[in-house]
Amino acid sequence: DSGVTQTPKHLITATGQRVTLRCSPRSGDLSVYWYQQSLDQGLQFLIQYYNGEERAKGNILERFSAQQFPDLHSELNLSSLELGDSALYFCASNLRGGNQPQHFGDGTRLSIL
Amino acid sequence: DQQVKQNSPSLSVQEGRISILNCDYTNSMFDYFLWYKKYPAEGPTFLISISSIKDKNEDGRFTVFLNKSAKHLSLHIVPSQPGDSAVYFCASIWAGAGSYQLTFGKGTKLSVIP
Repeated sequence: DSGVTQTPKHLITATGQRVTLRCSPRSGDLSVYWYQQSLDQGLQFLIQYYNGEERAKGNILERFSAQQFPDLHSELNLSSLELGDSALYFCASNLRGGNQPQHFGDGTRLSIL
Repeated sequence: DQQVKQNSPSLSVQEGRISILNCDYTNSMFDYFLWYKKYPAEGPTFLISISSIKDKNEDGRFTVFLNKSAKHLSLHIVPSQPGDSAVYFCASIWAGAGSYQLTFGKGTKLSVIP
């Protein structure tokens, strides 16, 4: 158990819809990362937050956004969903966001019908 | 443009023998390397890491070797056990980019045969 909790585990929705994925980092971790794993692309970095502030952006679409709240949990919002957004979305956390291992949750599987 | 490459999608090894998983990278600015193990329906689990100032790091049955001149790292598992069967991801960090995002390879599926 990594200590990182992601909800929901599975999400099925339709094209054009909007969903919110939630992540609770390990106790004490200030930095949260979001990754997308699709079938042919492997794990791709989306965005990082540190103590409530956006720290870095990767290959995140404009239709996607995230935030980190004062209690350090984070949400990833995906809107105007397309079939190609079907993927596993992982959240990871570490203490300070530096050269330390990131600890991953078990992911949310998003299926777009 | 794949900056971290794991060229073997799969590897089968007999129980008790050595498993060697390989990873190549193209960005010479990467300065920290990690290996993660992933079981189905679970998130990646951190296994072992190595800083670019070292060429070897050991943790029990797991050893990571880094060859900076060849931009190559490898993970050795000795002896291999059936419970090691999983997908192994190599990942790198370039701290100088201003972010500590992980750049992952596409993974190697290891099967340890009893």
